[in-house]
Amino acid sequence: GQQVMQIPQYQHVQEGEDFTTYCNSSTTLSNIQWYKQRPGGHPVFLIQLVKSGEVKKQKRLTFQFGEAKKNSSLHITATQTTDVGTYFCAGPSDYKLSFGAGTTVTVRA
Amino acid sequence: DGGITQSPKYLFRKEGQNVTLSCEQNLNHDAMYWYRQDPGQGLRLIYYSQIVNDFQKGDIAEGYSVSREKKESFPLTVTSAQKNPTAFYLCASSISRAGNTEAFFGQGTRLTVV
Repeated sequence: GQQVMQIPQYQHVQEGEDFTTYCNSSTTLSNIQWYKQRPGGHPVFLIQLVKSGEVKKQKRLTFQFGEAKKNSSLHITATQTTDVGTYFCAGPSDYKLSFGAGTTVTVRA
Repeated sequence: DGGITQSPKYLFRKEGQNVTLSCEQNLNHDAMYWYRQDPGQGLRLIYYSQIVNDFQKGDIAEGYSVSREKKESFPLTVTSAQKNPTAFYLCASSISRAGNTEAFFGQGTRLTVV
């Protein structure tokens, strides 16, 4: 079955710096979704990418979907303390939604 | 307000006891999911349901059972056969049965078995 893998597992970032987290699927995806889970909270939907090569921005967050629709990335610029949390990518497979292991982000002030 | 509600938020049980976690949604969503999250780990799928009276095993179904008698309700029972039940349990729903639309999550239930 489909596997969704994320790297890195942990990202320690200095406030103000940029970073990128990556998501890779073993199979072609019809779409990919990104979620954010704050410490102690539940995952909250951020965005969905559908088209090959699609790029979407949400303020300081930039999401990309690969040309082959097997990988995706989330790039955050000028990291702030509010960016702390775990970012998950998720892709549909056999009528279910499979999540990657997530990238847990901590920020040094 | 529309949403998905899990109860209770915290649950303590003695080893060997079955326990049922509640999940209710008023979003009129067809699909519902149960995930387990362990510290520092991702979301692992336990069971999912695309329609009333039907559900499928996920990746880690052993030791768990579910029912879907009503569209809005998808309770999860953690049985005594589950060897390591202490975890954070998340319920989610989505409008699409194909898993290709946004999932809405409940607040989660943190189960501790002693």
